Amino acid sequence: EIVMTQSPATLSVSPGERATLSCRASQSVSSNLAWYQQKPGQAPRLLIYGASTRATGIPARFSGSGSGTEFTLTISSLQSEDFAVYYCQQYNNWPPNTFGQGTKLEIK
Amino acid sequence: QVQLVQSGAEVKKPGASVKVSCKASGYTFTSYGISWVRQAPGQGLEWMGWISAYNGNTNYAQKLQGRVTMTTDTSTSTAYMELRSLRSDDTAVYYCARDGVYSGSYGGYYFDYWGQGTLVTVSS
Repeated sequence: EIVMTQSPATLSVSPGERATLSCRASQSVSSNLAWYQQKPGQAPRLLIYGASTRATGIPARFSGSGSGTEFTLTISSLQSEDFAVYYCQQYNNWPPNTFGQGTKLEIK
Repeated sequence: QVQLVQSGAEVKKPGASVKVSCKASGYTFTSYGISWVRQAPGQGLEWMGWISAYNGNTNYAQKLQGRVTMTTDTSTSTAYMELRSLRSDDTAVYYCARDGVYSGSYGGYYFDYWGQGTLVTVSS
């Protein structure tokens, strides 16, 4: 089973600044990596798939990069609604799908 | 628009079973697989398993093998997840989620639509 490790666990950033979240896979997952955003009391929302393709309706300030074992989610200019928990998920080696433990993005 | 609407919250005693439903609308149900993902209080996301709405093929997380059964009813576009022999550490919000890719018998995809979640509480 592939283990996904996200860092940092918590990231404090001011509105308007850039946020960079990392996700590492225990072995290569090619570009089969997705990112989700989850707000309290809500279901996760798909942001990025294929490591870098934005899902329908996702603002351009969200971007994904990486391949193999190292991935990054960048939010270029944080808006108030972006403060949430973010999860990465690999779907290259299935089953199972595996998720990272999450990064909480909080207001500085 | 695509929607996945789940059944309501459940409270169960240890050892009991629970069956959660997920009614799909807005797309051709048999063209996409459905996964179930759970989230214990304050914890991350855990994939439980997948079912093909096309042919009913399933794939379950190893730790849940023998306790979980996923089914579909194509006549009502509804997926079901039954978990048996409930324990306190099964207390969680259970989500259904649709494969992000038009799929038949393979479930290794991301998830583009999610249900609203069903809280299952296991307590004596």
